[in-house]
Amino acid sequence: AQSVTQLGSHVSVSEGALVLLRCNYSSSVPPYLFWYVQYPNQGLQLLLKYTSAATLVKGINGFEAEFKKSETSFHLTKPSAHMSDAAEYFCAVSVDGGSQGNLIFGKGTKLSVKP
Amino acid sequence: EAGVVQSPRYKIIEKKQPVAFWCNPISGHNTLYWYLQNLGQGPELLIRYENEEAVDDSQLPKDRFSAERLKGVDSTLKIQPAELGDSAVYLCASSLNSGNTIYFGEGSWLTVV
Repeated sequence: AQSVTQLGSHVSVSEGALVLLRCNYSSSVPPYLFWYVQYPNQGLQLLLKYTSAATLVKGINGFEAEFKKSETSFHLTKPSAHMSDAAEYFCAVSVDGGSQGNLIFGKGTKLSVKP
Repeated sequence: EAGVVQSPRYKIIEKKQPVAFWCNPISGHNTLYWYLQNLGQGPELLIRYENEEAVDDSQLPKDRFSAERLKGVDSTLKIQPAELGDSAVYLCASSLNSGNTIYFGEGSWLTVV
């Protein structure tokens, strides 16, 4: 069965610092992996996705993630944090490897950005 | 292009009362999803529709929850009767088909008192 573990329910960084949000997955099939962002009182917005092409995936707002099969990881990074990045971030894995909507989500990591 | 539209955005009801949420997906999207998001948790899939057909409703608590997608466009999710534990955000999402990226609505926030 597929699952996702996000390490750290809350991450705090200073503005301009590196953002690193960790995600490890478990999947019985080649995984499709996703990162979503949720701003307060809003729905989820797709940041980026890995669907078995390039292992380094670039997304919106300067975020990127690297698929590492040997480590079963899909960590999200951004070189320089902005105040506007403060939000909750969810890592997700596709249940059946081909569907991009039937997803198992992690519990989320709340990112705070200090001025 | 309009996104996924949900209503109402916020609803407060007393326990044992019924409640219904409505979702209008992005035009042309054949696949529609209802997700449940409890406080401090990630979303969990309740039901997935391909056009009018519910193809995956294994996580829908059928004793009190029901959903429909008449004509393969709009969808309604109903809870009857509501319980305190149903307080959560109900997210609707849609995609062109199941192999494409999904887009979420802003959610319907339910508080049961």
